[in-house]
Amino acid sequence: EVQLVESGGGLVQPGRSMKLSCAASGFTFSSFPMAWVRQAPTKGLEWVATISTSGGSTYYRDSVKGRFTISRDNAKSTLYLQMNSLRSEDTATYYCTRGPYNSGDFDYWGQGVMVTVSS
Amino acid sequence: DVVLTQTPVSLLISLGGQASISCRSSQSLVHSNGNTYLHWYLQKPGQSPQLLIYQVSNRFSGIPDRFSGSGSGTDFTLKISRVEPEDLGVYYCLQRTHNPNTFGAGTKLELK
Repeated sequence: EVQLVESGGGLVQPGRSMKLSCAASGFTFSSFPMAWVRQAPTKGLEWVATISTSGGSTYYRDSVKGRFTISRDNAKSTLYLQMNSLRSEDTATYYCTRGPYNSGDFDYWGQGVMVTVSS
Repeated sequence: DVVLTQTPVSLLISLGGQASISCRSSQSLVHSNGNTYLHWYLQKPGQSPQLLIYQVSNRFSGIPDRFSGSGSGTDFTLKISRVEPEDLGVYYCLQRTHNPNTFGAGTKLELK
């Protein structure tokens, strides 16, 4: 069974940093691109970043470029999102999701982790 | 960025009825490789989104045939027949043909 379990969220002050993790199991992690998608309270879904299988290619939405870094450790089957210079508008539930090449969708999602940026 | 416009914003449907949701794109979603990366999701209250339909019309594993997707180019539709209580929630379309990937704003399905 595919499982994605996020951790590392919480309350953080504006301008500070936070690192999210996503532990994957039930599939060959190194064979799948991965992504982060977020959802602000009562709002819709917003793609944040994607990483290739090797980690050699990364893609970001403009609003997080230069502040967020997506990475992965295939030996540990874990996906990360390093978030620096956090802003109030980054407040959201962050979902880890798997993005297979062949179908081009996000097929499995974690339960999400809440990040609140507030003083 | 590609804008996906979902209509209606909300739907009131009776149990056993049929629902139809439209997703219109600001540009063609046909990739240079010939595939169309338009997908549909359902987010039930308090849960993560779940994949229903991938690449316009393919049902994901375990999704009943009450759900069907159609369309091409810039105009796509999700149909839900014989609506059941477990179908309630917010439906989103997602395009992954172009970067950045973008979602529609969502359509809330409620019981009449």
